[in-house]
Amino acid sequence: DIQMTQSPSTVSASVGDRVTISCRASQSIGTWLAWYQQKPGKAPKLLIYKASFLENGVPSRFSGSGSGTEFTLSISRLQPDDFAVYYCQQYNSDSTFGPGTKVDIK
Amino acid sequence: EVQLAESGGGLAQPGGSLRLSCTASGLRFKSYAMSWVRQVSGRGLEWVSGISGSGGGTYYAGSVKGRFTISRDNSNSMVYLQMSSLRVDDTAVYYCATGGWPDKYVNWGQGTLVSVSS
Repeated sequence: DIQMTQSPSTVSASVGDRVTISCRASQSIGTWLAWYQQKPGKAPKLLIYKASFLENGVPSRFSGSGSGTEFTLSISRLQPDDFAVYYCQQYNSDSTFGPGTKVDIK
Repeated sequence: EVQLAESGGGLAQPGGSLRLSCTASGLRFKSYAMSWVRQVSGRGLEWVSGISGSGGGTYYAGSVKGRFTISRDNSNSMVYLQMSSLRVDDTAVYYCATGGWPDKYVNWGQGTLVSVSS
């Protein structure tokens, strides 16, 4: 099974900051990676698919990059609505999620 | 607008059964593979099961294989998850989502809570 790890587990940031979250796969997954945002009591929301493709309606301050085993989600100018937990998910072989990264207020 | 709504969650005893339902609207349902994804309280996400648009292909995570059965009714835009031999560690919020196996999950329901306890 492919294992997914994320770092950091928590990032404290301020509105306007640039935030970067890393995701690593235990083996190569090409670019079959998605990123989700989840707020308390809500379902996850798809942000990025195929590592770098922005889902319809997602603000352009979100971007994704990477291939193989190393991936990054960046938020260019953090907005109040962006404080949430972010998950990566590989869908190359089976489907597994990372443990999540919480973005909270500094 | 695509909407998914789960129902059927609740309290079950270990070894018991529950059937979850998911009603879909706003999409050409039979064209979409569907999945169930669960989340233990405040923690990580786990894909549980998926079904092809026709219903001819079904897929399960190892943790539920042989205990859970996914099915769909395309005439009524519904997908089901029959859960049997429930264990305490099946306790989670269960979401239905558009997307198969393996796949990204674009649309999600609001989730239904399943609690397994004696």
